[in-house]
Amino acid sequence: QMQLQESGPGLVKPSETLSLTCTVSGASITDFYWSWIRQPPGKGLEWIAFMYYSGTPNYNPSLKGRVTVSLDTSKNQFSLNLTSATAADTAVYYCARARVAGPKVWFDPWGQGTLATVSS
Amino acid sequence: DVQLTQSPSTLSASVGDRVTITCQASQDIRKYLNWYQQKPGKAPKLLIYDESNLKTGVPSRFSGSGSGTDFTLTIRGLQPEDIATYYCQQCDHLPVTFGGGTKVELK
Repeated sequence: QMQLQESGPGLVKPSETLSLTCTVSGASITDFYWSWIRQPPGKGLEWIAFMYYSGTPNYNPSLKGRVTVSLDTSKNQFSLNLTSATAADTAVYYCARARVAGPKVWFDPWGQGTLATVSS
Repeated sequence: DVQLTQSPSTLSASVGDRVTITCQASQDIRKYLNWYQQKPGKAPKLLIYDESNLKTGVPSRFSGSGSGTDFTLTIRGLQPEDIATYYCQQCDHLPVTFGGGTKVELK
């Protein structure tokens, strides 16, 4: 059974880089697409990016320029780096497997989420 | 970006009721719409993909319909465990976007 677990610092200072890692168990990260999605406290969901291990990542243009995603096949992990963090980046960050086939993209399963707070 | 407008934003219903949630897209997204259920403090879970395909293990009281710009999630016979916030998500046009959510409460 596939499981995903996010990890990373819970507190990031403004202007610094928010870095998170998702560890996948029960599947190889080379077999699927993977995604990051975030949810500010009390608000809705925002897609950040998805990628396949051998392809170019797709990023949400609203974050492009600040966000980078990458995979570490040796650790079966994928990561998110968000530079120049501001309070607006405070959110629960979820990693998820992305099922991608042409125009079809859905997210299943999801990790439990990790709260990243941007504050001095 | 494709805007998804869900209505209502909050819904109060009784156990056994038929519940309908709508999701309207700002442009044609054909049938490429998915639905998720999120319970408080938990991650969202996929319910329906490609407008009407029920994920394995999801109770058959959940169903999805629609195409183009207007979509519906229906719960036939609301159960206490269905109390949650429901989100639609489109994938026909990048970036992927989500609706604002519909919170289903017990009356």
